[in-house]
Amino acid sequence: SQELEQSPQSLIVQEGKNLTINCTSSKTLYGLYWYKQKYGEGLIFLMMLQKGGEEKSHEKITAKLDEKKQQSSLHITASQPSHAGIYLCGADKSDGGATNKLIFGTGTLLAVQP
Amino acid sequence: DAGVTQSPTHLIKTRGQQVTLRCSPKSGHDTVSWYQQALGQGPQFIFQYYEEEERQRGNFPDRFSGHQFPNYSSELNVNALLLGDSALYLCASSLLGAVQETQYFGPGTRLLVL
Repeated sequence: SQELEQSPQSLIVQEGKNLTINCTSSKTLYGLYWYKQKYGEGLIFLMMLQKGGEEKSHEKITAKLDEKKQQSSLHITASQPSHAGIYLCGADKSDGGATNKLIFGTGTLLAVQP
Repeated sequence: DAGVTQSPTHLIKTRGQQVTLRCSPKSGHDTVSWYQQALGQGPQFIFQYYEEEERQRGNFPDRFSGHQFPNYSSELNVNALLLGDSALYLCASSLLGAVQETQYFGPGTRLLVL
């Protein structure tokens, strides 16, 4: 079965620093989602990537999907305390067609020190 | 535009009891998925409802059942509660067949089983 591994598991950065979170799949990804979660709360949708080599940005967050569609990265530029939280990557558990049945990595806990 | 709503926000039950959680999807969405998130883990897919029928199911026992109503809202029922059922239960809605079937999550219901 498809598994998603995220690294690092946790990260502490100084405010203003850049950081990258990685998500690696054992199988080809057909739809890779990035969500942010405040502790104990629901997931906030950040971005979705589908095509190999695709890159999307929103404010100071950029997500990329590699050409082989087995690895994605989330990059935050000039981090702020508001970026703190748990970042989860999720993949459509499918062999080609969208199913809306997502599997998730275990998450990366990000703390930003003022 | 109302997002995904869930009720109740918190719930405490004892072993062996039964519980019902509720979810109202985002306006315009017709598909509801339920996830269980244990502490420190990523969400795990329970099942998905579309057109009032269970469309997909994850690896959860029959104690977990659900229902979708004509207005697309949904319930998750868990019978014979176990201590291990303590978790954050997340509901996500989407529009089946949309170009990008992004799932939007609710704030979750935190269930504690004593």
